[in-house]
Amino acid sequence: RKEVEQDPGPFNVPEGATVAFNCTYSNSASQSFFWYRQDCRKEPKLLMSVYSSGNEDGRFTAQLNRASQYISLLIRDSKLSDSATYLCVVKGATTDSWGKLQFGAGTQVVVTP
Amino acid sequence: EAQVTQNPRYLITVTGKKLTVTCSQNMNHEYMSWYRQDPGLGLRQIYYSMNVEVTDKGDVPEGYKVSRKEKRNFPLILESPSPNQTSLYFCASSSWAGAYNEQFFGPGTRLTVL
Repeated sequence: RKEVEQDPGPFNVPEGATVAFNCTYSNSASQSFFWYRQDCRKEPKLLMSVYSSGNEDGRFTAQLNRASQYISLLIRDSKLSDSATYLCVVKGATTDSWGKLQFGAGTQVVVTP
Repeated sequence: EAQVTQNPRYLITVTGKKLTVTCSQNMNHEYMSWYRQDPGLGLRQIYYSMNVEVTDKGDVPEGYKVSRKEKRNFPLILESPSPNQTSLYFCASSSWAGAYNEQFFGPGTRLTVL
């Protein structure tokens, strides 16, 4: 089983609609979680960190569910420019593994006019 | 401009011919890391470095070497490349300031080994 798993999609979303997707992780001791965005095999860029209490950044909302070991990303009022692959990232659970990062394979989102 | 640079951006080589991919950052970051990205597998960590002269294996270190002699540079060395090392490679860096430090990625190096 992969340590970080994502639904690859694609999620085809009409412009203006809401889309949400999850990422599951296997190590229950993991502490830090992130969503990165990647466009067409370019370099990934940080979208947002995911905090225990959940957090929101404009149209984007990230949630963490420790009991079920998943994080989620919700995009409201989708824009054409939101079309991208969204990567889930989980950081090493202990101080001697903080340097190790696990990436999911990504969820592709396609926003259509 | 704060950035991570990689060279070369594209490389086609032959099996067994040693090569080095350079990575440099100008943000005085302690942490640097190398990843490879293959279709359907996502990014997989090759090696990382917490600081100068400190390196550690990621998930897929076989066939690769790294060194961290200076803070700004973290070259990736393929002593004897093989076709299964054909991939898109990313270097990244971050300040080691806590659990939620952002990683900044270089533009990627597309390597083909024939």
